[in-house]
Amino acid sequence: DTGVSQDPRHKITKRGQNVTFRCDPISEHNRLYWYRQTLGQGPEFLTYFQNEAQLEKSRLLSDRFSAERPKGSFSTLEIQRTEQGDSAMYLCASRFLAGNEQFFGPGTRLTVL
Amino acid sequence: AQRVTQPEKLLSVFKGAPVELKCNYSYSGSPELFWYVQYSRQRLQLLLRHISRESIKGFTADLNKGETSFHLKKPFAQEEDSAMYYCALSGGNEKLTFGTGTRLTIIP
Repeated sequence: DTGVSQDPRHKITKRGQNVTFRCDPISEHNRLYWYRQTLGQGPEFLTYFQNEAQLEKSRLLSDRFSAERPKGSFSTLEIQRTEQGDSAMYLCASRFLAGNEQFFGPGTRLTVL
Repeated sequence: AQRVTQPEKLLSVFKGAPVELKCNYSYSGSPELFWYVQYSRQRLQLLLRHISRESIKGFTADLNKGETSFHLKKPFAQEEDSAMYYCALSGGNEKLTFGTGTRLTIIP
């Protein structure tokens, strides 16, 4: 287990297209988080899961965004009808319930043309 | 509401000189504070957290509730300290609130 992995690492799409990102957390980490980071800013919280349950969503997560973690392991983040403002780095993190350190993945860089 | 402020976007320090990266926070309860670091071409990783009161790679940070600060310090900078540093706060819920980051450059 080499840590949190994300796929793809880079995605270029045209405005209006749908995109989906995948995150594989560290094994046995039951909490999984999604963040978005734009240029010059720190990561901003989007949503998190405990096992398969999505427990909190930020107001940043518009209705074009949906996240799932169907079996409590990997998670997907889908953006429908992408806009240029969606261009950002999308980060995934996971942690074990008993710990308080979030382990981050390498991120998926989305560019919307 | 949770808020973290890092007033310096860029900080350059000579090798061997002391380093201080500033972080101020706003939170009405008892926060947990963290420093995360991102080295070139690497992922974001935890550097230290206030509850453990540890020194990592020579860095320390003390939580000052009176001044609502959590400044990161190191007495003697090394070239390998060049990186992006983020202060983050957890307010008892699950999310981390990050500052905008400080890019630290150590001048040889």
